Amino acid sequence: QVQLQESGPGLVKPSETLSLTCTVSGGSISNHYWNWIRQPAGKGLEWIGRIYASGSTGYNPSLKSRVTMSRDTSKNQLSLRLSSVTAADTAVYYCARDAITVFGVVTYYFDYWGQGTLVTVSS
Amino acid sequence: AIQLTQSPSSLSASVGDRVTITCRASQGVSSALAWYQQKPGKPPKLLIHDASSLESGVPSRFSGSGSGTDFTLTISSLQPEDFATYYCQQFNNYPQTFGQGTKLEIK
Repeated sequence: QVQLQESGPGLVKPSETLSLTCTVSGGSISNHYWNWIRQPAGKGLEWIGRIYASGSTGYNPSLKSRVTMSRDTSKNQLSLRLSSVTAADTAVYYCARDAITVFGVVTYYFDYWGQGTLVTVSS
Repeated sequence: AIQLTQSPSSLSASVGDRVTITCRASQGVSSALAWYQQKPGKPPKLLIHDASSLESGVPSRFSGSGSGTDFTLTISSLQPEDFATYYCQQFNNYPQTFGQGTKLEIK
């Protein structure tokens, strides 16, 4: 059973860089696509970006200038960095896996999610 | 980016009721639409993908329909554990986007 666990500082100061890690168990990250998604309290979901099985990345244009995603296949971990944060970046951050169909085709909806980690941006 | 508008934003219903939630896309997304259920403090759970395909393990009282710009999620007979917030997501166009959510509450 695939399990995802986000971790990182719960408090980040304005203008600094938010850094989170997602540890995946029950499967290799090398064979799938992985995403970061966030949700401000009481609000909807926002897709941040994806890291592909090749290691290449794709980001939401609304955040692209501030986002960096990477992976460490030896640790089976994913990383998210979001620079120049403001209060508007306060949210629960989730990592999630892109689903694969029974035919082995990757799709862009999300079948496994971590429990999420709350990041508050405040001085 | 494609905007998804869900209606209603909130809904009160009783156990046993039939409930329908609508998701309208600002432009066509073919059948590339998914539905999720989210309970407080929990991550979203995938219910439906490709507009009408039930995810494995999801009860058959959940069903989805639609294509293009108009989609519906139907719960045929509400159970106590179904009271939650529901989100649609399109994955036809980049970037993927979500609807604003529909909160389903107990009447």
